[in-house]
Amino acid sequence: KAGVTQTPRYLIKTRGQQVTLSCSPISGHRSVSWYQQTPGQGLQFLFEYFSETQRNKGNFPGRFSGRQFSNSRSEMNVSTLELGDSALYLCASSLQGGSPLHFGNGTRLTVT
Amino acid sequence: AQSVSQHNHHVILSEAASLELGCNYSYGGTVNLFWYVQYPGQHLQLLLKYFSGDPLVKGIKGFEAEFIKSKFSFNLRKPSVQWSDTAEYFCASDQTGANNLFFGTGTRLTVIP
Repeated sequence: KAGVTQTPRYLIKTRGQQVTLSCSPISGHRSVSWYQQTPGQGLQFLFEYFSETQRNKGNFPGRFSGRQFSNSRSEMNVSTLELGDSALYLCASSLQGGSPLHFGNGTRLTVT
Repeated sequence: AQSVSQHNHHVILSEAASLELGCNYSYGGTVNLFWYVQYPGQHLQLLLKYFSGDPLVKGIKGFEAEFIKSKFSFNLRKPSVQWSDTAEYFCASDQTGANNLFFGTGTRLTVIP
């Protein structure tokens, strides 16, 4: 079974721009979660989608948004990028709420 | 608010030494507990999980963890570490049924051959 796939692996953007990250979950997994990983803050939960509905949301500003498609693929969008948004963004999928998460390799975003 | 604390930031051990990494969680209700490992250059992988039942859980690669409810702890152990265990280890918790994991800040383990 293929794992969680995140594209692109690396991104370099300028302050003020927006970015879209993509995540393809493991086949059959309906829940997709997004996390931000930084050296200072560690791993922080962004949001979780299940069957195209956002079920949980972390404590991030509205510039961070996401969506899930009918095939369970998910995208995350960050608008008006700030330097502090530079991080590794991880996507994780699971069968349903409460089951272990399977993580992708992440997208490393650098904002200059 | 729910939180997870890992008190050891960097642990250095020689091969064959025993390992114990501390983890404490703050939520007073029913929680699921996890240990994840991130080997250099690789993605986060699940080592073991506790949902309910036997408080001593066994995971992959000889790791185990003990859930002690009275101490809000879920420490990770391994009797004899190997050089290949060099990695970063993350403890995490979530409320039962939610997929909103709270992670600790991680413990970097370096095993010296």
